[in-house]
Amino acid sequence: RKEVEQDPGPFNVPEGATVAFNCTYSNSASQSFFWYRQDCRKEPKLLMSVYSSGNEDGRFTAQLNRASQYISLLIRDSKLSDSATYLCVRAAAGNKLTFGGGTRVLVKP
Amino acid sequence: GAGVSQSPSNKVTEKGKDVELRCDPISGHTALYWYRQRLGQGLEFLIYFQGNSAPDKSGLPSDRFSAERTGESVSTLTIQRTQQEDSAVYLCASSYRDSYTDTQYFGPGTRLTVL
Repeated sequence: RKEVEQDPGPFNVPEGATVAFNCTYSNSASQSFFWYRQDCRKEPKLLMSVYSSGNEDGRFTAQLNRASQYISLLIRDSKLSDSATYLCVRAAAGNKLTFGGGTRVLVKP
Repeated sequence: GAGVSQSPSNKVTEKGKDVELRCDPISGHTALYWYRQRLGQGLEFLIYFQGNSAPDKSGLPSDRFSAERTGESVSTLTIQRTQQEDSAVYLCASSYRDSYTDTQYFGPGTRLTVL
């Protein structure tokens, strides 16, 4: 089983709609999680950190459920520019990052 | 300020040749990471450097892969006797320290194609 697993999608989302997807992880000792965004043929960029209490950044909400070992990302009022691959990431000791395979989101007019 | 830079942006080589990839981290960042991303797959950790400590090489796939870093500046990733399965985008990232509270900033990557 991979350490970090994601539904590859694509999630086809009408512009203005809400989309949510999860990521599961297998290492119960994992401490820190992040969502990165990667555009086609570009480098990943940090979208947001994920806290147990849940955190929100504008239209984006991330949540960590340690009991069930999953992380979620919700995007409200989707924009065309939100089309990208969203990478679920776990940080291990030394801040070595383990990436999921990514969830592709396509926002359509 | 300047971000992480990598060179070359693209490299095409023949099977069996050696290649050297370069990464210039953000100035002042003590931690530097190398990752590999094969087509359609997630990033895989290869190696990381933190200050003057011994590098963590736990992600290197074989002894054909090696990396060096000069102090807290430039790093080079060397792949000897390249194989077709080495074809991937090699991404470098740097962060202020190697703490999970420090964001890693990625370079644009080097796209390696082994024929």
